[in-house]
Amino acid sequence: DAMVIQNPRYQVTQFGKPVTLSCSQTLNHNVMYWYQQKSSQAPKLLFHYYDKDFNNEADTPDNFQSRRPNTSFCFLDIRSPGLGDAAMYLCATSRGDSPYTDTQYFGPGTRLTVL
Amino acid sequence: QKEVEQNSGPLSVPEGAIASLNCTYSDRGSQSFFWYRQYSGKSPELIMSIYSNGDKEDGRFTAQLNKASQYVSLLIRDSQPSDSATYLCAVNWASGGYQKVTFGTGTKLQVIP
Repeated sequence: DAMVIQNPRYQVTQFGKPVTLSCSQTLNHNVMYWYQQKSSQAPKLLFHYYDKDFNNEADTPDNFQSRRPNTSFCFLDIRSPGLGDAAMYLCATSRGDSPYTDTQYFGPGTRLTVL
Repeated sequence: QKEVEQNSGPLSVPEGAIASLNCTYSDRGSQSFFWYRQYSGKSPELIMSIYSNGDKEDGRFTAQLNKASQYVSLLIRDSQPSDSATYLCAVNWASGGYQKVTFGTGTKLQVIP
C-alpha cells in the first residue's frame, strides 16, 4: 500500500542535543510538508518542499532545518532542541498538481520528548 | 492572517445520534475544504474533502459548504463510540504560487454509548 512513513515514532532527546526526524513516501507525491503540533493545538506548518523547491514559513525558528535528498525522503533537523520543541511532528505529502483540490495525507507522526 | 475557527467542544452525543461539527474561515478566496479525524496521540486522517457549495455524502459522513457564509460543516449520522476523536477543519489558500492549508484547532467529539 502506498503510504507516508515516519521514523522514529517516538524520539527522546536531551536539551540542546541535535535530532533528526525522517519521513518517506511511496505515493510519488511532489510536495512534502513538516508540521509541528502541540497538545490541543492546530498543526502548524514549519516548511514544505515542492519537488526541490524549499519554502520556509516566516515564523519557523532557525533551529529547524529540512533536507529533501530525493522525491521519496524528507528530513527534519532540530539543531538545538529546547523544552518548547517537545511536540508531535507530522509529515504530510500531496500531489501538488492541482491548484484547488490538492489534498494532504499525513504520516503517523513522531512524538518528540526533550529532557 | 488566514483563520479557521472551530468550537473546541467537547461535543457529546449519544450513540446513534447525528453529530454536527462546524467551521468558519476568513479567506474568501479559499477553494478547498477538508475534514480530518484525529484520535488522541495519532496523526490526522482525511475524512472528507469538498470543493463546491452544497452537500457531499460519503457513507455516514456529509460535508456541507456555504462559500457565501464562509462556513463548512460535517455531519456524522448514526454516531458510534469509535467516532470519538478530534475533528480538524482545514481550508486551503494560495501563497506565492503554492497551495497551503490552515487548520482549525479542532472539535473534540465524544459519542456516549
